Amino acid sequence: AQSVTQLDSQVPVFEEAPVELRCNYSSSVSVYLFWYVQYPNQGLQLLLKYLSGSTLVKGINGFEAEFNKSQTSFHLRKPSVHISDTAEYFCAVTKNSGGSNYKLTFGKGTLLTVNP
Amino acid sequence: DAMVIQNPRYQVTQFGKPVTLSCSQTLNHNVMYWYQQKSSQAPKLLFHYYDKDFNNEADTPDNFQSRRPNTSFCFLDIRSPGLGDAAMYLCATLSGATGTQYFGPGTRLTVL
Repeated sequence: AQSVTQLDSQVPVFEEAPVELRCNYSSSVSVYLFWYVQYPNQGLQLLLKYLSGSTLVKGINGFEAEFNKSQTSFHLRKPSVHISDTAEYFCAVTKNSGGSNYKLTFGKGTLLTVNP
Repeated sequence: DAMVIQNPRYQVTQFGKPVTLSCSQTLNHNVMYWYQQKSSQAPKLLFHYYDKDFNNEADTPDNFQSRRPNTSFCFLDIRSPGLGDAAMYLCATLSGATGTQYFGPGTRLTVL
């Protein structure tokens, strides 16, 4: 079984400041890793994903994340945030073998609040 | 654009009155999922379909049922909604090539 820990439930930052949202996972098998963003009363939108290859992945809206296998982490970063980045962010993992039809295990989410 | 569509976006029902939520997709994906998401929580998987093969999560209440008449459509039926079933319901599809789930915009269910 997999598990995901998002270390911060809330992260307040000022506009144009850098931000890092932390995610650690636990799994006995190789995994795919995802970050999703959820705006109020919306569904989950895929920000980025790590499947294989380069450990630094770039996503939409200027976000990037780095897969660190030794530290079992997949932290999300953005060098300069905007007010519009205010949202809930979910880290998720799934077994990369396709077992159980790629069920996702989610972290509890991090609420990013960008203040002017 | 290929996408996952959910209707309605907001649904109000009365305690005990059956309600159906719908999901459609133009991605032609074989796997579809239904999630329940309560306030400030992560989505919780209720069940999923691989084609017409239905897979129920062990802790999904019997009050929740689903139908998938064809590849494009999937329905969530709540037979007797209780106040505790008020939540956001999310539909998702799977790209088997990348193991990536794509979500619809959700239906916010209110139970009066």
